[in-house]
Amino acid sequence: GAVVSQHPSWVICKSGTSVKIECRSLDFQATTMFWYRQFPKQSLMLMATSNEGSKATYEQGVEKDKFLINHASLTLSTLTVTSAHPEDSSFYICSASIPLGGYNEQFFGPGTRLTVL
Amino acid sequence: QKEVEQDPGPLSVPEGAIVSLNCTYSNSAFQYFMWYRQYSRKGPELLMYTYSSGNKEDGRFTAQVDKSSKYISLFIRDSQPSDSATYLCAMMEGAQKLVFGQGTRLTINP
Repeated sequence: GAVVSQHPSWVICKSGTSVKIECRSLDFQATTMFWYRQFPKQSLMLMATSNEGSKATYEQGVEKDKFLINHASLTLSTLTVTSAHPEDSSFYICSASIPLGGYNEQFFGPGTRLTVL
Repeated sequence: QKEVEQDPGPLSVPEGAIVSLNCTYSNSAFQYFMWYRQYSRKGPELLMYTYSSGNKEDGRFTAQVDKSSKYISLFIRDSQPSDSATYLCAMMEGAQKLVFGQGTRLTINP
């Protein structure tokens, strides 16, 4: 149980185009999903927290107009990288949380590798 | 200063060795402490979590938390080549936000 999928698993796009990444919780409902970015040999950095039916909360330094997040249902959140540039090339990972006892456990998707040419 | 510090390695040990991975942190409000394993180009998977100080054991893995020293450890006994991965420590303040260490790349040599 507690499987999270992402689509696509990798994408290559031209500079200036927009890319949408989907994150789905397959066998559970998640009121909260998270989006992370991971550069090579670096850790996961939280970009934003996404709550179903409300606006996402972005971390300091993350441009909300560039990284559009939509959490339209309890099983789907999307991240759209608008006007992508080569510096946006990274590994994007989502997670979905389930309340377990005293804390909310996050289950991670397999990640999406974005390459912007 | 980063909230969570973790030696990125790489760390290479022979099969069967005991592996010790460590993280230090600065935020005394952290209450939950996790260890994740991440294979190349995959998402992290939770290995263990500990609430507050103490030890927790699960098979070949033991997690230790020393809140007084702001220091956590993960020990892997009888290490196997399949344990080769990047190990990330992560901490949570009590809400949902996870703060990750940089990750340690571990290789177990047959």
